[in-house]
Amino acid sequence: KAGVTQTPRYLIKTRGQQVTLSCSPISGHRSVSWYQQTPGQGLQFLFEYFSETQRNKGNFPGRFSGRQFSNSRSEMNVSTLELGDSALYLCASRTLARSETQYFGPGTRLLVL
Amino acid sequence: SQKIEQNSEALNIQEGKTATLTCNYTNYSPAYLQWYRQDPGRGPVFLLLIRENEKEKRKERLKVTFDTTLKQSLFHITASQPADSATYLCALVGINDYKLSFGAGTTVTVRA
Repeated sequence: KAGVTQTPRYLIKTRGQQVTLSCSPISGHRSVSWYQQTPGQGLQFLFEYFSETQRNKGNFPGRFSGRQFSNSRSEMNVSTLELGDSALYLCASRTLARSETQYFGPGTRLLVL
Repeated sequence: SQKIEQNSEALNIQEGKTATLTCNYTNYSPAYLQWYRQDPGRGPVFLLLIRENEKEKRKERLKVTFDTTLKQSLFHITASQPADSATYLCALVGINDYKLSFGAGTTVTVRA
């Protein structure tokens, strides 16, 4: 089975722009979660989607949003980018929302200039 | 507020020795606790899971203990090898929402 894939792998944007990141979960997995990883804050939970519905949300501003499609693929969007949004954005999938093991993708490295 | 602390940012050990990492938590009621390994530029990889009612879990050279009274988990890598060099993250799974909350991680370097 193919693993979790994320596109693009690297991205450079400027302040004020918006960005969309994509995640394809492992086949058969219906839950997708997004995380932001920075050297200062570590790995922080953004949100989780299951069957196209947001189940959980972390403590991030409304500029961060996401969605999930009927094929379980997910996108996250960040609007009005700030320098502090520079981070590694990780997507993880699991079979169900309460499944124990999450499988992470390689991440998208976003640099905001 | 909820807090997950991993005791040190970095741990340097000699090949063949045992590395012991600590994860402490406060104001948390976890359904279970997980340990992940992360290599530079890559996503975390799941290693082990231990539930609230379990004291110890093993997988090959890895051992995890969980003390809910102390609110602490210990992660051991026995007979360490240079290939074990990586960042190790502990994560707690909330009993109500099953969200994963991660510690900051401990970077282990094993010297040959």
